[in-house]
Amino acid sequence: GAGVSQSPSNKVTEKGKDVELRCDPISGHTALYWYRQSLGQGLEFLIYFQGNSAPDKSGLPSDRFSAERTGGSVSTLTIQRTQQEDSAVYLCASNHGGRVAEQYFGPGTRLTVT
Amino acid sequence: AQKITQTQPGMFVQEKEAVTLDCTYDTSDPSYGLFWYKQPSSGEMIFLIYQGSYDQQNATEGRYSLNFQKARKSANLVISASQLGDSAMYFCAMREGWRGNTPLVFGKGTRLSVIA
Repeated sequence: GAGVSQSPSNKVTEKGKDVELRCDPISGHTALYWYRQSLGQGLEFLIYFQGNSAPDKSGLPSDRFSAERTGGSVSTLTIQRTQQEDSAVYLCASNHGGRVAEQYFGPGTRLTVT
Repeated sequence: AQKITQTQPGMFVQEKEAVTLDCTYDTSDPSYGLFWYKQPSSGEMIFLIYQGSYDQQNATEGRYSLNFQKARKSANLVISASQLGDSAMYFCAMREGWRGNTPLVFGKGTRLSVIA
């Protein structure tokens, strides 16, 4: 079946502009996660959605970042007034919540803020 | 404090040799899971192996095994018979709690280079 998909694969934007990143999780997966990976670094948790529960936003670095998940499926991560330090690869993952429940990752969106 | 520590920024191994990638973790939760992911230069994150905190046996998946030492809070990945295609970044990650759908905390990774 289809894996996690993300769009766009690459995004170049000017400082101060808003961007929207999209994630389409694996069908049937109840949990969806956003992570950020800066150059040469590990993954940093941003936000996650579990079913119809309120999202856990504890990893969002500032109020310029927000995300929503519509209909328990597709998610959009929005970054307002982008800054150069927002440049990174944004990875989305999903899983079903079983005991092992490895997370399946999308290919990521490489964001460059000029 | 770092929850996941990977002390080896880079490692080299000869093809067909075994290599151990170190990972130590820090948690006060008695229930947790430990994961290893591989990230080739293409950027995709590939799940390799999982170890639950209550699992009695060390996890194995093909050429991958996890050397789990609970008292020392270490979860080292052992790759046997290294292949050129094993060259990649390797990340250790932890999920705290018993539920499968909670975020992972990642280490900074180890870059493994396999030499012919």
